[in-house]
Amino acid sequence: GAVVSQHPSRVICKSGTSVKIECRSLDFQATTMFWYRQFPKKSLMLMATSNEGSKATYEQGVEKDKFLINHASLTLSTLTVTSAHPEDSSFYICSARLIQGSNSPLHFGNGTRLTVT
Amino acid sequence: AQTVTQSQPEMSVQEAETVTLSCTYDTSESDYYLFWYKQPPSRQMILVIRQEAYKQQNATENRFSVNFQKAAKSFSLKISDSQLGDAAMYFCAYRTSNTGNQFYFGTGTSLTVIP
Repeated sequence: GAVVSQHPSRVICKSGTSVKIECRSLDFQATTMFWYRQFPKKSLMLMATSNEGSKATYEQGVEKDKFLINHASLTLSTLTVTSAHPEDSSFYICSARLIQGSNSPLHFGNGTRLTVT
Repeated sequence: AQTVTQSQPEMSVQEAETVTLSCTYDTSESDYYLFWYKQPPSRQMILVIRQEAYKQQNATENRFSVNFQKAAKSFSLKISDSQLGDAAMYFCAYRTSNTGNQFYFGTGTSLTVIP
């Protein structure tokens, strides 16, 4: 089945620094990837849709200058949390669909737990 | 905007028994897709079952089945012969059929399986 790899799985950073999270589709090409944020015991909140070769589409309320998304190739999307603050601490999950325009489900990465101290 | 509602934050079931998790959604679209995902303690999201809105027949995957009521905008998940490994958070998800193709998730139901 389709595999999505996310790295790192855990990261601790100091307030004010930036952190990059990578999301790779290992055995398929993904023109679109999705970035979600999940608070403890809460649902997944869609942050943005990452489009290969073009600008990401951000959901309302998500700061695009704070959460930089780059989808430079058909197998890699990155999310950079810039000038991180403790309130950015969360679980971030990326996902991708195998086939566009069908009932294909989302395939998820294993997630990244970000802790900002 | 599409919204997905799971009214049961927590549910429990005895091992080998059957449990039903509820999900309702709000949409003005006629064509869409519905999914149930499972998130065990590992946090990995795992697809359980999917349903196309244009299909009247309820989807079934082994011990998992859905009751899809399109007019009522209801999409419940039934787990039969519950096993200890079924314990997890379960999320109902809606996907649009338009070009955005975003997924929208419910708030989740935490399922406990009692031995």
